[in-house]
Amino acid sequence: GAGVSQSPSNKVTEKGKDVELRCDPISGHTALYWYRQSLGQGLEFLIYFQGNSAPDKSGLPSDRFSAERTGGSVSTLTIQRTQQEDSAVYLCASRPGLNEKLFFGSGTQLSVL
Amino acid sequence: DAKTTQPTSMDCAEGRAANLPCNHSTISGNEYVYWYRQIHSQGPQYIIHGLKNNETNEMASLIITEDRKSSTLILPHATLRDTAVYYCIVRLRSFNDYKLSFGAGTTVTVRA
Repeated sequence: GAGVSQSPSNKVTEKGKDVELRCDPISGHTALYWYRQSLGQGLEFLIYFQGNSAPDKSGLPSDRFSAERTGGSVSTLTIQRTQQEDSAVYLCASRPGLNEKLFFGSGTQLSVL
Repeated sequence: DAKTTQPTSMDCAEGRAANLPCNHSTISGNEYVYWYRQIHSQGPQYIIHGLKNNETNEMASLIITEDRKSSTLILPHATLRDTAVYYCIVRLRSFNDYKLSFGAGTTVTVRA
C-alpha cells in the first residue's frame, strides 16, 4: 500500500489478556517507530527500530511491553497481561533512510476493560 | 531537545490565513523547527521544517525570527479540513534521532 498500515484499527480486550498490534511500514523505509497517545494527550515515544534492531527500548512503559521487527519490514508490538492504563491509541510511523519526515499510520485504538 | 510553548487553542475563519505561534527560547544553533499536525482519528502528518530561513511548501509557510527564539506557522487559506492539533517541535536534525517528542500542541478550529 501507499501508506503505513496498522491492524487492527480497534481492539477491545479484557484486563489480563495479551494483545498483538501490527504495523506494516511503507516499503523501503528503514526506520520504524512506535508511539502511544492517551486520550487528550500528546504522543509518547515507545520504541524505535533501525532495520530489525531496536537501539533504544527505554520508552517501553514496563516489561509487559515488547516489540519485534522482522525482515526489516513488519513490526509487532505485544502487550502482555493488559491493564486498564494501557488503553490508548498506538501509533506506528516509518521513515526512509535519509529523510526527516515521519509517515504515520492511523493507529490502533486499544481499549482494556 | 529544546522545549516549545504553544497556545492551547485558537479559532480561524475559513478562507483566512491562520497564524500559529511557537516559542522556543532555548533553541540551540543546530536544532531545527518542525511542524506536524494531527487530524481527528488520524496519525500525525508532517507539514514543514526549517533552521534559520523562512520556508514555504504546498501546505504552509514557516517564519522563524532572526534570533530563532520563536516561529510562526502560516496556513495561507484555511479550510475546514485544516481543523487539527498542530505540533511545534524543536530537535536536532539527526537521522539517528528517534525520540521525536510531541507535546500537547495547539488545537486549531476552522469555522465556516
